Amino acid sequence: QSVLTQPPSVSGAPGQRVTIPCTGSSFNIGAGYDVYWYQQLPGRAPKLLIYGNSKRPSGVPDRFSGSKSGNTASLTVSGLQAEDEADYYCQSFDSSLSDEVFGGGTKLTVL
Amino acid sequence: QVQLVQSGAEVKKPGSSVKVSCKVSGGTFSSYVISWVRQAPGQGLEWMGGNIPVFGSANYAQKFQGRVTISADEAATTAYMDLTSLTFEDTAVYYCARYTSGFDLWGQGTLVTVSS
Repeated sequence: QSVLTQPPSVSGAPGQRVTIPCTGSSFNIGAGYDVYWYQQLPGRAPKLLIYGNSKRPSGVPDRFSGSKSGNTASLTVSGLQAEDEADYYCQSFDSSLSDEVFGGGTKLTVL
Repeated sequence: QVQLVQSGAEVKKPGSSVKVSCKVSGGTFSSYVISWVRQAPGQGLEWMGGNIPVFGSANYAQKFQGRVTISADEAATTAYMDLTSLTFEDTAVYYCARYTSGFDLWGQGTLVTVSS
């Protein structure tokens, strides 16, 4: 059971917008620790998608955006494209464990 | 540009140990925090620990305390992850990753299979 909770799957049609929530606690997201998001294509290493809650590394399309409020962070993908079909993971730091922690991952399906 | 290249796949017996390497080319190795993250088949990502070579110290996830050692050879610009007392549940792809603002650069992964 992951410290950060994500839905196992979300889906949307091409062009639509989907949001993936990541729920933590007062020991991690709610404590103010930054949240990061990663995209993992099948058989590939993860790729950093969002850092510092809402910043995009160079080269990441602006269709991807991140936000945080209270104990929950969210990744929004706008204008869905077939190539966005992948697993998405949130990550933060947990002060009760003194560990970096990941969400369980969300599989995004483009219908 | 900076690249992380890991050692090849391993097959190990239960109770044995495995050492995975991560060669860092380009950049300033001694200032990087290199962490290790594993992914069991069909499962999510799990942080194991990380170290800053210039400080020569590492911190480990509670789950792996006492069983994992993360080290680095600055001259070889290579980081290592040593996992002991392997069980079938340790079968996974092991990734090294550089941590700056998040894990921003990843190795290609090393499959470790524990099989009798």
